[in-house]
Amino acid sequence: EIVMTQSPATLSVSPGERATLSCRASQSVSRNLAWYQQKPGQAPRLLIYGASTRATGIPARFSGSGSGTEFTLTISSLQSEDFVVYYCQHYNNWPPLFTFGPGTNVDIK
Amino acid sequence: QAQLQESGPGLVKPSQTLSLTCTVSGGSISSGDYYWSWIRQSPGKGLEWIGYIFYSGNAYYNPSLKTRVTIFLDTSKKQISLRLSSVTAADTAVYYCARAQSPGYYFDLWGRGTLVTVSS
Repeated sequence: EIVMTQSPATLSVSPGERATLSCRASQSVSRNLAWYQQKPGQAPRLLIYGASTRATGIPARFSGSGSGTEFTLTISSLQSEDFVVYYCQHYNNWPPLFTFGPGTNVDIK
Repeated sequence: QAQLQESGPGLVKPSQTLSLTCTVSGGSISSGDYYWSWIRQSPGKGLEWIGYIFYSGNAYYNPSLKTRVTIFLDTSKKQISLRLSSVTAADTAVYYCARAQSPGYYFDLWGRGTLVTVSS
């Protein structure tokens, strides 16, 4: 079973600064990696899929990179609405299994 | 624009069966392009995938829940249903219905979620 880890658990950043979030897989997952944003009281929203493709309507300040076991979500200039929780997610082909990372909470420094 | 809406009891007693329904509107449920999933989130915790069902009726479940979970599809009603048996307080969570793209396997559409509390 592939285990997803995210670091840091909490990231403190000032508005307007860059945030770099990390997601690591316990074994190679190629580029089968997605990122989600979750605001309090809401369902997660897809940000990035295929490790680096922005979903429809996602602002350009969000970007994803990486392959294999190491992935990064970068928010280039944090806006007030970006101070929420982010999850990475992988799909394993067999056995079929979706796995989420534990999340990174981005808060205001 | 497709939408998902979860419905079902908000309170279930311990040892009973939790039953939820997800209704799809504005889109097709009978497409090979999607996996229809249930995902849950315990209060203050992360996301846990419960299982998914394909339009063909094939379903796969999280091994940690496999013995207690059933997901089934009613294409005539455009509904995906979840049953989780022998619930305990640990099953208290917000339950989300979500659509995953095939291939790609990312969740591009989510319902708003419904809170289910297990308590006597």
